[in-house]
Amino acid sequence: AQKITQTQPGMFVQEKEAVTLDCTYDTSDPSYGLFWYKQPSSGEMIFLIYQGSYDQQNATEGRYSLNFQKARKSANLVISASQLGDSAMYFCAMRTKAAGNKLTFGGGTRVLVKP
Amino acid sequence: DTGVSQDPRHKITKRGQNVTFRCDPISEHNRLYWYRQTLGQGPEFLTYFQNEAQLEKSRLLSDRFSAERPKGSFSTLEIQRTEQGDSAMYLCASSLKGRQETQYFGPGTRLLVL
Repeated sequence: AQKITQTQPGMFVQEKEAVTLDCTYDTSDPSYGLFWYKQPSSGEMIFLIYQGSYDQQNATEGRYSLNFQKARKSANLVISASQLGDSAMYFCAMRTKAAGNKLTFGGGTRVLVKP
Repeated sequence: DTGVSQDPRHKITKRGQNVTFRCDPISEHNRLYWYRQTLGQGPEFLTYFQNEAQLEKSRLLSDRFSAERPKGSFSTLEIQRTEQGDSAMYLCASSLKGRQETQYFGPGTRLLVL
């Protein structure tokens, strides 16, 4: 079975500061992909960043970076220089080769950026 | 560049009625997925298609639910005899088969069953 755990239900962050969102995963499959999505109040899931299990380097996309620690089975998202528009729900998700192509999501973390 | 679109965006219905949702994927994407998201939770997988073939269905998809993708393009999700427990956001996603395959989501359809 595969599982994603996000232990932070909500976080406040000051504008222009960095924030780290925690994600741990559980799978016995050596081949998997990890994703982060942002969901504003409008409801649409917006893809942010991807990390493959065999990737040697941590993924980065603009202000988003993924701190991938394979031995600890963690894939934390770091948002640098937070902006007011970053206020949203953030979901970590995983796809494994064994489980097919569906995504398994964590429970999400709500981020509120304060001016 | 056209993303994934879903119609309607909102639907209010009475218990026992049938509802149908439509999803139009990104044009070159051959895989299409349906997820359901209830308040305060992450999305849960319902079913997925590769081209017109429905390759996997979740146990969440009861007999009252049916999904189709008749020509490998748009997809419909029908719920028959709706129940209050069906109230949720229904999300559609599409992807192109490949190594770093990424699912891109539509805006979702919010269903409220009274």
